[in-house]
This record gives sequence, structure tokens and C-alpha cells, in this order.
Amino acid sequence: GAVVSQHPSWVICKSGTSVKIECRSLDFQATTMFWYRQFPKQSLMLMATSNEGSKATYEQGVEKDKFLINHASLTLSTLTVTSAHPEDSSFYICSARPQGRSSYNEQFFGPGTRLTVL
Amino acid sequence: ILNVEQSPQSLHVQEGDSTNFTCSFPSSNFYALHWYRWETAKSPEALFVMTLNGDEKKKGRISATLNTKEGYSYLYIKGSQPEDSATYLCARNQFYFGTGTSLTVIP
Repeated sequence: GAVVSQHPSWVICKSGTSVKIECRSLDFQATTMFWYRQFPKQSLMLMATSNEGSKATYEQGVEKDKFLINHASLTLSTLTVTSAHPEDSSFYICSARPQGRSSYNEQFFGPGTRLTVL
Repeated sequence: ILNVEQSPQSLHVQEGDSTNFTCSFPSSNFYALHWYRWETAKSPEALFVMTLNGDEKKKGRISATLNTKEGYSYLYIKGSQPEDSATYLCARNQFYFGTGTSLTVIP
């Protein structure tokens, strides 16, 4: 149980285009999902918290107009990188917190998406 | 920024050896320490969550300890096996991750 999928697993796009990444909880409902980014040799950095039915909460320094998050259902959150540039190339990974769990519990991660912007 | 540091960065051990890694973190405003196991091309898998000073958790050959006063946690693997090869991540207060320790177990 507690499986999270991400799609696509990797994507290459041209500079200036937008890319959408999907995060799905397959066997549980998640009112809260999280989006992280990891640059080479760095740690996972929390970008934003996605709440079902409401606006996402962004971490300091993360541009909300560039990284659009939509959490329209209890099993799906999407991250859209708008007008992507080479510096947005990174590994993006989501996680989901099962409905009703406290913050001490594990978050269940997807396998991540490798974005390369040419 | 609350820095979580892990050491060593990478480690190669022979099958059967026991090993351990360290996760250091700021001890102020601490409430939880998570350990994850992350195999290449897979999702990070939760191993342990610890909250209290002196906590010890065990799962098979893997165990972890927590010292919240001095801000560190140790992860131990007894009798390493090739399938233990992975990156081991720790996270302070759920969201603040270290860069991980990459373990390779040589058959």
C-alpha cells in the first residue's frame, strides 16, 4: 500500500515551453501533497505544499507564478513549470500524506521526474 | 535554512560487514527525525521516524538511534547485503533533508 506515482519519469523540453508533472496517490487519498526539487549533489528542497481544494503554499524563494500547482482531487496534484529555462533543469519529486495522518508520520514519495530544459 | 548534514557522503563495504552513518541536525525546535532508503529509479522508502531523545528503532538488520540534545542520529546496518545498496536520507522535522549517504555493498 501507499504507492505514489509520477508522470513523466523524465522529460526534455525547449527553453520557453511549459511542462506539467503529475503526482498520483494510487491506493490512498491525500489531502496534502508536497513538491520537492533536487539539484545535483544537493539535498531535497521543499518547494511547496499542495492542499486539495485550496491554493498551494510556497516556500520562500519559490516563484508561485513559475511553478503552478493544482491539487484538484484527493489523488492528484500537478506541478507545471511555466516558461522553463535551463536553470529549471532538475529532479522534481512529490510526496503525499495520507488523509488523517499526523505530521509525524511518513510521507510517501513518488519516484521523481527528471526535467532537462535545452 | 536549517542545515542537516550526513556523513560520510559515500561508502563502500564488503558483503557481511556492518556499517553506520551519521545524520547531524540543529537541535532547537526539533520534533521528528526521519530516515529513508532510496534506491536508484525508485521512490524513497521510509525506514524510521523518531521523536524522543534516546529513541532506538530496529527493522531487521537496520537500526537507528536518536540524540536530540546534541542533534544527531546514527543508522546502523548489521551484516550488509548487496540489496542494502542505496542512498540513505535523513530528514529533520519531515521536510529538511540531508544530502544522503550512498552505500554500495560489494558481493
